[in-house]
Amino acid sequence: GAGVSQSPRYKVAKRGQDVALRCDPISGHVSLFWYQQALGQGPEFLTYFQNEAQLDKSGLPSDRFFAERPEGSVSTLKIQRTQQEDSAVYLCASSLVAGQQNEQFFGPGTRLTVL
Amino acid sequence: SQQGEEDPQALSIQEGENATMNCSYKTSINNLQWYRQNSGRGLVHLILIRSNEREKHSGRLRVTLDTSKKSSSLLITASRAADTASYFCATDTNTGNQFYFGTGTSLTVIP
Repeated sequence: GAGVSQSPRYKVAKRGQDVALRCDPISGHVSLFWYQQALGQGPEFLTYFQNEAQLDKSGLPSDRFFAERPEGSVSTLKIQRTQQEDSAVYLCASSLVAGQQNEQFFGPGTRLTVL
Repeated sequence: SQQGEEDPQALSIQEGENATMNCSYKTSINNLQWYRQNSGRGLVHLILIRSNEREKHSGRLRVTLDTSKKSSSLLITASRAADTASYFCATDTNTGNQFYFGTGTSLTVIP
């Protein structure tokens, strides 16, 4: 089906390594969100894109986190110099129209483990 | 930090019974959504209720919203084993672009 896909599904990194997580939203979806979900917790908002514009990055936990969506479709979340506390599932979601007032469609997530 | 909190944290019921879970949030919202998460299907949208609505139904789901108390409830009627999952409320804000999930209620429906 034409849902949201994420890759890789699992990533193991050594502390200090850089990682890049990819999100392919549903074609034509304007809005794209990234979330971080720790074990046993709800997803935590990281950042929001409307087309290629990053309108909100207030949830990024540090300047080691960087996200981009250069052509308004695929997005990449990059984490530099990974730390153990970065271990979590990273979820991507897309929505048909702009804003937060609509149903979001989630990908399966990337489970990041930092050793 | 998360905007919402669900109550109870965990709920276990027999198949056929109703399940009620509650959500409280902190700031003014435009809408509140409920999502379900299980290992098989990931996070799935269930229902959206706007701030000017008080109740909404979708199949076996009934959602209420009380903006004066900043709270919502999700009722699942005639539960099935397949309803076993974690349920999250989620809210936008009318001051920015953030989207906040609650802490979740883990529901177990025993066949």
